[in-house]
Amino acid sequence: EVQLVESGGDLVLRGGSLRLSCGASGFSFSNYWMSWVRRAPGKGLEWVANIKQDGGENYFGDSVKGRFTISRDNAKNSLYLEMNNLRVEDTAIYYCVRVAYGDLFFDRWGQGTLVTISS
Amino acid sequence: DIQLTQSPSFLSASVRDRVTITCRASQGISNFLAWYQQEPGKAPRLLVYRASTLQSGVPSRFSGSGSGTEFTLTISRLQPEDSATYYCQQLNSYPLTFGGGTKVEIK
Repeated sequence: EVQLVESGGDLVLRGGSLRLSCGASGFSFSNYWMSWVRRAPGKGLEWVANIKQDGGENYFGDSVKGRFTISRDNAKNSLYLEMNNLRVEDTAIYYCVRVAYGDLFFDRWGQGTLVTISS
Repeated sequence: DIQLTQSPSFLSASVRDRVTITCRASQGISNFLAWYQQEPGKAPRLLVYRASTLQSGVPSRFSGSGSGTEFTLTISRLQPEDSATYYCQQLNSYPLTFGGGTKVEIK
């Protein structure tokens, strides 16, 4: 069974940093692009970032570009999101998501981890 | 960036009603569209991809259609467990974008 388990969510002051982790199991992690998607309170889903199977290519949403970094460790079946210069509007549940093979939709989602940025 | 506009943003319907949600793209995206369901307190779940292909395990009362700039998600006979928010997402190009969501309430 495919499982994605996020961790690392916390309460952080504005301007601070945080690193999210996601442990994957039940599938061949190194064969898939992976993604982070978030949902802010009272708002809709927002795509954050994608990373290629070997980590050699990545893409970011405009609102996080230059502040967030996505990375992965295929030996540990883990995905990461390094978040810097955090803003109040980054407050959200962050989901670790598997990108469907050969496509750009999201076929498996973790349960999410809550990030709260206070001013 | 490709903008997706969903309508309505909220709808209330009765069990066994037929429900249709529309998603309009700001430019043509062929069939590069997916639909997700998010129940309260749960993670989103993929329902439909490439506009009309039902994801494995999704009940057949869900269906998707459309191409170019206009897409629809239809629930043929609404069930109580369908109370959720539904999102469309374009997979045509980066940045990937979602529609604003449609909250479906059961009367």
